Amino acid sequence: EAGVVQSPRYKIIEKKQPVAFWCNPISGHNTLYWYRQNLGQGPELLIRYENEEAVDDSQLPKDRFSAERLKGVDSTLKIQPAELGDSAVYLCASSLVLSGGPYEQYFGPGTRLTVT
Amino acid sequence: TQLLEQSPQFLSIQEGENLTVYCNSSSVFSSLQWYRQEPGEGPVLLVTVVTGGEVKKLKRLTFQFGDARKDSSLHITAAQPGDTGLYLCAGDPGTYKYIFGTGTRLKVLA
Repeated sequence: EAGVVQSPRYKIIEKKQPVAFWCNPISGHNTLYWYRQNLGQGPELLIRYENEEAVDDSQLPKDRFSAERLKGVDSTLKIQPAELGDSAVYLCASSLVLSGGPYEQYFGPGTRLTVT
Repeated sequence: TQLLEQSPQFLSIQEGENLTVYCNSSSVFSSLQWYRQEPGEGPVLLVTVVTGGEVKKLKRLTFQFGDARKDSSLHITAAQPGDTGLYLCAGDPGTYKYIFGTGTRLKVLA
């Protein structure tokens, strides 16, 4: 079974430039997450999708960040314009979430963003 | 905002030693997970605990969920260099949203 695929793996951009990350979740998973992880810290949730619907985007800085999940499969996360503080690893994860129980998140390898 | 504090933050030990990592919160969680993350990779789930007082073992790793479901511990027996990585706990307060802890970076020296 293929895992969560993310691209690019690394990205270096100058501040004020736009950047986009792409994620292909595990086939059949209904829930997709975007996290931001600063060096040596735990991931912080940016947005969670159930199928095509963004059900939790409370932590997404909406002035510069946007995300979409077309057809409930692939997803893109965009930053425009990027700031120095956006340098981090952006992780995508997917799950098959059924009602009433804990679920396992499968993470991709992440995209390491450096803003100079 | 729920906060999961992990301790210690960093740990460097010799191969063969035992260690315990702690995950503490003032909030109650319906379930708690432990992940291990290696450099350049995403976190990988090790275990999920759901019942207060529950103990689960995974080879040399022993996980315990606190009776009040507010804290957890991970104990590694006879650590090996392959155990090196960032250990993360993550708790679900019942909102289908796991909140990750601050992380413990473990280095096991051969």
